[in-house]
Amino acid sequence: NAGVTQTPKFRILKIGQSMTLQCAQDMNHNYMYWYRQDPGMGLKLIYYSVGAGITDKGEVPNGYNVSRSTTEDFPLRLELAAPSQTSVYFCASSYGTRKDNEQFFGPGTRLTVL
Amino acid sequence: EDQVTQSPEALRLQEGESSSLNCSYTVSGLRGLFWYRQDPGKGPEFLFTLYSAGEEKEKERLKATLTKKESFLHITAPKPEDSATYLCAVQAEDNYGQNFVFGPGTRLSVLP
Repeated sequence: NAGVTQTPKFRILKIGQSMTLQCAQDMNHNYMYWYRQDPGMGLKLIYYSVGAGITDKGEVPNGYNVSRSTTEDFPLRLELAAPSQTSVYFCASSYGTRKDNEQFFGPGTRLTVL
Repeated sequence: EDQVTQSPEALRLQEGESSSLNCSYTVSGLRGLFWYRQDPGKGPEFLFTLYSAGEEKEKERLKATLTKKESFLHITAPKPEDSATYLCAVQAEDNYGQNFVFGPGTRLSVLP
């Protein structure tokens, strides 16, 4: 099992550009999440999905969009990139059951917006 | 508002010097408390889940405990390979039970 994979590992964007961060998992998890991690701050939830076709906003969704057309994939779309979106982005997945909900994280995408 | 704080922000230990990391939380209904380890440049790696006050879990040199307001991660006789940032997260009850709130982490350095 590859677990949770993310691409790209690094990216530099100019202000106003758009991009999609890719995330895939091969553990047949129903639940998937996108977080951002800024220095000295905890991970902040951007969006999550409880299954194919179902997504919901987390704590910091502004400036981002997601879709979940398959169980395996959960891409994060940045439209009109802004310097405030400079961060490290982590995708995670879990079974989502009450007693089995630990999250498995990908290696992260480091994004810089200049 | 659900909140998680961790202390200390950073901790330096000599190899073999035991200590504890603290995670204090306020949450409107706790579904679970999670501990993760994060190495530089990598994603967090799951360590423990605790569900109710009084619960304890152990793994090698690590032991996690939970009360109604805080959790401790005890590190016994640490080794340099235990150096990492340790993250605490709480899962709050909500519509889907997927509201996770993470603390800022404690950066642990274990010197040989």
